[in-house]
Amino acid sequence: RKEVEQDPGPFNVPEGATVAFNCTYSNSASQSFFWYRQDCRKEPKLLMSVYSSGNEDGRFTAQLNRASQYISLLIRDSKLSDSATYLCVVSLSAGGGNKLTFGTGTQLKVEL
Amino acid sequence: EAQVTQNPRYLITVTGKKLTVTCSQNMNHEYMSWYRQDPGLGLRQIYYSMNVEVTDKGDVPEGYKVSRKEKRNFPLILESPSPNQTSLYFCASTKPGGANTEAFFGQGTRLTVV
Repeated sequence: RKEVEQDPGPFNVPEGATVAFNCTYSNSASQSFFWYRQDCRKEPKLLMSVYSSGNEDGRFTAQLNRASQYISLLIRDSKLSDSATYLCVVSLSAGGGNKLTFGTGTQLKVEL
Repeated sequence: EAQVTQNPRYLITVTGKKLTVTCSQNMNHEYMSWYRQDPGLGLRQIYYSMNVEVTDKGDVPEGYKVSRKEKRNFPLILESPSPNQTSLYFCASTKPGGANTEAFFGQGTRLTVV
């Protein structure tokens, strides 16, 4: 079983749609959680951290369910510029640092 | 501007010819990593370094070496590249901080070994 699992997609949605991505992780000792965005094989960039209480950043809402080891990302009012691959990331303290484990990513295509 | 710089961006080489991919960061981070990214497999950690002269294997270290002689530099060395090392490589420098941990990535090096 992969440490972090995501539906690879692609998710093809019309502009203005609401889309949700899900992610599960296997290590219950994981401590921190994130969503990264990666455009067209460019470098990944942090989109947002994910907190147990849930958090929102504009059109983006992230949720964490530690009991189910499940993370989600909701994008409202999708824009063409949201087209990218979204990587679910978990962090585990290891040997004095934080090891980040990446999911394989979910591809989103927003269309006119 | 905070950044991670990798070179080269693109490289085609032949099997067995030693190569080095350089990585430099200007954020004074202690923790740096190398990843490779392959279709369907995502980003996998090759090696990481927690500080100068402290390095350790990640999930896929075979065929790679690293060094950390200075805090800002973390080169990746392929002593004898093979075609299965054809991949997209990313160097990352990580700002510690629990839930505020953030990895800053270089622009990537697309390596082809023929």
